[in-house]
Amino acid sequence: GAVVSQHPSRVICKSGTSVKIECRSLDFQATTMFWYRQFPKQSLMLMATSNEGSKATYEQGVEKDKFLINHASLTLSTLTVTSAHPEDSSFYICSWGPDNEQFFGPGTRLTVL
Amino acid sequence: QKEVEQDPGPLSVPEGAIVSLNCTYSNSAFQYFMWYRQYSRKGPELLMYTYSSGNKEDGRFTAQVDKSSKYISLFIRDSQPSDSATYLCAMSAAAGNKLTFGGGTRVLVKP
Repeated sequence: GAVVSQHPSRVICKSGTSVKIECRSLDFQATTMFWYRQFPKQSLMLMATSNEGSKATYEQGVEKDKFLINHASLTLSTLTVTSAHPEDSSFYICSWGPDNEQFFGPGTRLTVL
Repeated sequence: QKEVEQDPGPLSVPEGAIVSLNCTYSNSAFQYFMWYRQYSRKGPELLMYTYSSGNKEDGRFTAQVDKSSKYISLFIRDSQPSDSATYLCAMSAAAGNKLTFGGGTRVLVKP
C-alpha cells in the first residue's frame, strides 16, 4: 500500500499555543486528503476534506478557524491547531488515497497542558 | 442511531481460532467497504477493500458484503496473537468520497 508520513508523531504544548502537524504522501500524488481525530477508545471522526488548490470542507461542528488546513501540494498537507486547549488533546490522523483505498498516516498525538 | 454500527467488544479468542467481525449500516448508498486494523497508538492499516456485494479473500482474511442486508463481515482464520488489535469497518458511497467508520471492535488473541 501507499506510504503516508506524519510529523511530529507526538507533541506536548501549553494551552493557548498553536501546533502544526504535517502529512505527506511519499509515493503517490492525490488531490484529495482527509484529516481525522480520534479520542481514546473511540473511532475515527472525520474533521475535514482537503482538496489541493482550494479551501477545505469542514464537517459539522468542526471550527474552521481553529483547525487550519493548508493543502500546499499534491503530496503535502498541514493541520494547524490554533490556540490549543486541553480539550483539543487527541490523536490526529491524515489519510490519502487514489480512490477509496485510503491510506493513513501513523498519527500525531497532541497533548495540551 | 449511528450510520455504521459495530460491536466494540472486546472479542477474546484462543490462538488458532477463527475471528468473526461484522458491521451493519443504514445508508443504502454505500458501495465501497473496507476493513482496517489499528494497533494501539498507530494509524489504521488497510486490510481489505471490497466494491459492492460479494466475497473477497486475501491470505487468512475473508471479507463478505451483503448489501441486501446492509451487513459486512471480516473473518480471520488461524488467528495469531499478533492479530490482537482494534478492527474498524469503513464505507463510502462513491470513489474518492469520505469514509464513514464503525466504532471498532477490539480483538484479543490469547496464546
